[in-house]
Amino acid sequence: GAGVSQSPSNKVTEKGKDVELRCDPISGHTALYWYRQSLGQGLEFLIYFQGNSAPDKSGLPSDRFSAERTGGSVSTLTIQRTQQEDSAVYLCASSPGQGVDEQYFGPGTRLTVT
Amino acid sequence: GQNIDQPTEMTATEGAIVQINCTYQTSGFNGLFWYQQHAGEAPTFLSYNVLDGLEEKGRFSSFLSRSKGYSYLLLKELQMKDSASYLCAVRDHGDSSASKIIFGSGTRLSIRP
Repeated sequence: GAGVSQSPSNKVTEKGKDVELRCDPISGHTALYWYRQSLGQGLEFLIYFQGNSAPDKSGLPSDRFSAERTGGSVSTLTIQRTQQEDSAVYLCASSPGQGVDEQYFGPGTRLTVT
Repeated sequence: GQNIDQPTEMTATEGAIVQINCTYQTSGFNGLFWYQQHAGEAPTFLSYNVLDGLEEKGRFSSFLSRSKGYSYLLLKELQMKDSASYLCAVRDHGDSSASKIIFGSGTRLSIRP
């Protein structure tokens, strides 16, 4: 079946502009995560959605970052007034929300802020 | 808060065995994962431990000691394709009933012929 998809795959934007990154999780997965990965670094947790519960936003680095998950499926990560330090690969993952609950990752969106 | 430590880089020889260690500190431990990430690709799931002991899956094994906050990933009969980053991740209840998964910085493993 279809895996996690993300769009766009690459995004180049000017400093100060807003960007929206999209994630389509695996159908039926109740949990959805956003991570950020800078070159050669580990995954930095951003936000976590589980079913209808309030999202865990504890990893968002500033109030310029926000995320929504509509209808328990598609999620959008929005970065307002982008800065050069926002440049990174943004990874989305979904998981079944039960059992081992391993994550399935999308291919990521590479964001470059010039 | 959470803290996950693993070595930054390791090198091993094709055909040999390598052990990648991970130590963690969390407020509400609820399972430990290992993921493999090849350069330029997304992480893929390798193993999961929630109880103490060793879980074996082919050439890969993962061990957990909850009392010591310690895990290792053991890779046997190393192949060149095993050159990748290996990420230790912990599921943590934290202050809520929901569990999020936090990753360490990863160990970059290089295999030499």
